[in-house]
Amino acid sequence: QVQVVQSGAEVKKPGASVKVSCKAPGHTFTSYAFHWVRQAPGQRLEWMGWINAGNADTKYSQNFQGRVTITRDTSATTAYMELSSLRSQDTAIYYCARERLGYCDTIRCHQRAFDIWGQGTMVTVSS
Amino acid sequence: DIQMTQSPSSLSASVGDRVTITCQASQDISNNLNWYRQKPGKAPELLIYDASNLETGVPSRFSGSGSGTDFTFTISSLQPEDVATYFCQQYDHFGRTFGPGTKVDFK
Repeated sequence: QVQVVQSGAEVKKPGASVKVSCKAPGHTFTSYAFHWVRQAPGQRLEWMGWINAGNADTKYSQNFQGRVTITRDTSATTAYMELSSLRSQDTAIYYCARERLGYCDTIRCHQRAFDIWGQGTMVTVSS
Repeated sequence: DIQMTQSPSSLSASVGDRVTITCQASQDISNNLNWYRQKPGKAPELLIYDASNLETGVPSRFSGSGSGTDFTFTISSLQPEDVATYFCQQYDHFGRTFGPGTKVDFK
């Protein structure tokens, strides 16, 4: 069964940074994109950003612009999400999700979906 | 940004019941709409992609329809393992957005 495996829970103080990793199966790593989605207690899923593992292109949600950085290491088949200037409202479960890239025509893309999710990483921000 | 709404926010049903959830986008997204199930304490899992396509390995009791701004997700016969929260999610060139979720439990 194909899985992506995330790093373990983190406890951080306000103002600090956190970096979460997401290891994916090797042979197809660069054929996918990897997104980061978080879920605060009782809240809806919130999209943070993504990286195309093939060409390293990134795009971030405006809600996190300037605070989030997503990278990948193709040799380690791992994607990373770093969130800086942490505050208590950043306490949440952070998920990595693999997205198949589908295909795109002149108007839009098709068959893009998060087909595999990591187990989630709990990040707690507390003084 | 495209906003997503869902209704109802929660529902209670019995085993074998037909369950329907709707999702609405704030602007035309064609069929760029996916559905996920999130069981308690677990990560979400993909059920339907591009509005009406059943993901490989997903039981046929799940189905989806719609295009443009209005979408429907149906469970034809609710099973015990379907106690979960269901989310719709759109994708476009600017990013991804999720609906608020519909919590399904048993009467």
